[in-house]
Amino acid sequence: GAVVSQHPSWVICKSGTSVKIECRSLDFQATTMFWYRQFPKQSLMLMATSNEGSKATYEQGVEKDKFLINHASLTLSTLTVTSAHPEDSSFYICSARIPPGTVPSTDTQYFGPGTRLTVL
Amino acid sequence: SQKIEQNSEALNIQEGKTATLTCNYTNYSPAYLQWYRQDPGRGPVFLLLIRENEKEKRKERLKVTFDTTLKQSLFHITASQPADSATYLCAPGDDYKLSFGAGTTVTVRA
Repeated sequence: GAVVSQHPSWVICKSGTSVKIECRSLDFQATTMFWYRQFPKQSLMLMATSNEGSKATYEQGVEKDKFLINHASLTLSTLTVTSAHPEDSSFYICSARIPPGTVPSTDTQYFGPGTRLTVL
Repeated sequence: SQKIEQNSEALNIQEGKTATLTCNYTNYSPAYLQWYRQDPGRGPVFLLLIRENEKEKRKERLKVTFDTTLKQSLFHITASQPADSATYLCAPGDDYKLSFGAGTTVTVRA
């Protein structure tokens, strides 16, 4: 159980275009999903917390108009990188939190396989 | 600001030996600490969670300790196998948010 999928697994786009990444919880409903970015040999950096039915909470330094997050259902959150530039090239990973009251631990996050974005 | 340090970038060990990884944190009082495994080009996979009121937790060949006085967690892989080769991430957490260390890459030689 607790499977999270991401689509696409990789994407190459031209500078100035927008890219949408989907994150789905396959066998549970996730009231909260998280979006991270990871550069090579660096740690995961939390970009934003996505709550179903409400606006995302962005971490300091993350441009909300550039990284649009939508969490329209309990199993789907999307991240849209708008007007992408080469410096946005990175590994984007989503995670979902098991809702409170569900085993195993409500504090555990389950991660998707990641999406490699390359902006030319 | 919070700082999470994992003792080394890389750890090379012989198959069958015990790998010990260290995670230190500063300016932080996490309610729990999680360890994840990450393979190249993949998302992290949850391994263990230990809470602030727990000193030790085990799962098969894995053991985690949590010392809130030292602000440190130790992660042990006993009887290591080549399949254990991966990057291991330490992630202290509070409420529902996690902060990740940069990871330690373990290579187990056959």
